[in-house]
Amino acid sequence: AQSVTQLDSQVPVFEEAPVELRCNYSSSVSVYLFWYVQYPNQGLQLLLKYLSGSTLVKGINGFEAEFNKSQTSFHLRKPSVHISDTAEYFCAVGRGNAGNMLTFGGGTRLMVKP
Amino acid sequence: DSGVTQTPKHLITATGQRVTLRCSPRSGDLSVYWYQQSLDQGLQFLIQYYNGEERAKGNILERFSAQQFPDLHSELNLSSLELGDSALYFCASSAQGGGNTIYFGEGSWLTVV
Repeated sequence: AQSVTQLDSQVPVFEEAPVELRCNYSSSVSVYLFWYVQYPNQGLQLLLKYLSGSTLVKGINGFEAEFNKSQTSFHLRKPSVHISDTAEYFCAVGRGNAGNMLTFGGGTRLMVKP
Repeated sequence: DSGVTQTPKHLITATGQRVTLRCSPRSGDLSVYWYQQSLDQGLQFLIQYYNGEERAKGNILERFSAQQFPDLHSELNLSSLELGDSALYFCASSAQGGGNTIYFGEGSWLTVV
């Protein structure tokens, strides 16, 4: 079985400040890792994903994440946030041999203040 | 726009009733997934279909059922509804294969009163 823990339910940050949203996972097999964003009253949109190769993954809207196998982490970062980044962010883990379904963390609400 | 279409967007119904949520996947995607999002349970995987066949099952209640039709659209049937079934139900689709991006629709808001 696999699970995902997002350590912070809410992260307040001022505009133009850097931010890190933390994600830890557990799995007994190799996994694929994803970050999704959910804006108010919308569906989930893929920010980035890690399948293999370079552990630093760049995504849309200036976000990036680093896969750390030894710490089983996949933290999301952005060097300078905007008001428009205010949203709910979900980390997810998937296994190809499990039908490609994803297990999601509980989500982190990023609140960017002016 | 993810290309995944869900109807209806909003639905209010009474306890004990039955509803059907409909999903059209992205063009070419053979896999369809259903997820439930609620405040207390978060995002829960319900079920996956691949080309008409059930592929994976998650925390789906026995009162709920789903199917995928030959034209690849899918329906999620929720019966004997309870207040706790009030949630946002997402449909998603992907190409088959591990690591493929799963694209989500905008969801169907179900309110049970």
